[in-house]
Amino acid sequence: AQSVTQLGSHVSVSEGALVLLRCNYSSSVPPYLFWYVQYPNQGLQLLLKYTSAATLVKGINGFEAEFKKSETSFHLTKPSAHMSDAAEYFCAVRGDQGGSEKLVFGKGTKLTVNP
Amino acid sequence: EPEVTQTPSHQVTQMGQEVILRCVPISNHLYFYWYRQILGQKVEFLVSFYNNEISEKSEIFDDQFSVERPDGSNFTLKIRSTKLEDSAMYFCASRRAGGNTGELFFGEGSRLTVL
Repeated sequence: AQSVTQLGSHVSVSEGALVLLRCNYSSSVPPYLFWYVQYPNQGLQLLLKYTSAATLVKGINGFEAEFKKSETSFHLTKPSAHMSDAAEYFCAVRGDQGGSEKLVFGKGTKLTVNP
Repeated sequence: EPEVTQTPSHQVTQMGQEVILRCVPISNHLYFYWYRQILGQKVEFLVSFYNNEISEKSEIFDDQFSVERPDGSNFTLKIRSTKLEDSAMYFCASRRAGGNTGELFFGEGSRLTVL
């Protein structure tokens, strides 16, 4: 069964600093991987997705993630944090094992950006 | 930009009462989903719905839960007899047809509090 582990429930960075949010997955089939962001009082919005094309995936708002099969990782990065990046970020995996299309989410990482 | 809308945003109910959460998916989408997030826990898949029938459900989605698409626009989740542990944020999502890596569009969620 697929699973996702997000290391660090809270991450705090200074404005302008590198953002690194960690995600490791477990899947017995080649996975599809996603990062979603949730701003306060809003729904989940897709940041980016990996679907077996390029291993480095670029998303919205300057975020990108690299799929590393050897490390079973899909960490999310942004070179320079902005105050507006403060939100909760969720990594999710979807595998087509048995035809399932459900997303399995991690617990989420709350990002705080300090001025 | 089209979006998934959910009502109510917050509902408080007594244990044992029936609750209906409503969702209006994006109009040209054909796949519909419910997820939930208990406070402090992961976002969990409940059910997927396509072509007027459930295509997949999780072990959480027991006989107390049902989904319906009563007309061409609404997609509802009914909990027949609520329990304290049903307190959670419930997210509706939809996606268009074609491409099984398609992006899910999430609503802002309906917070259910069972007293």
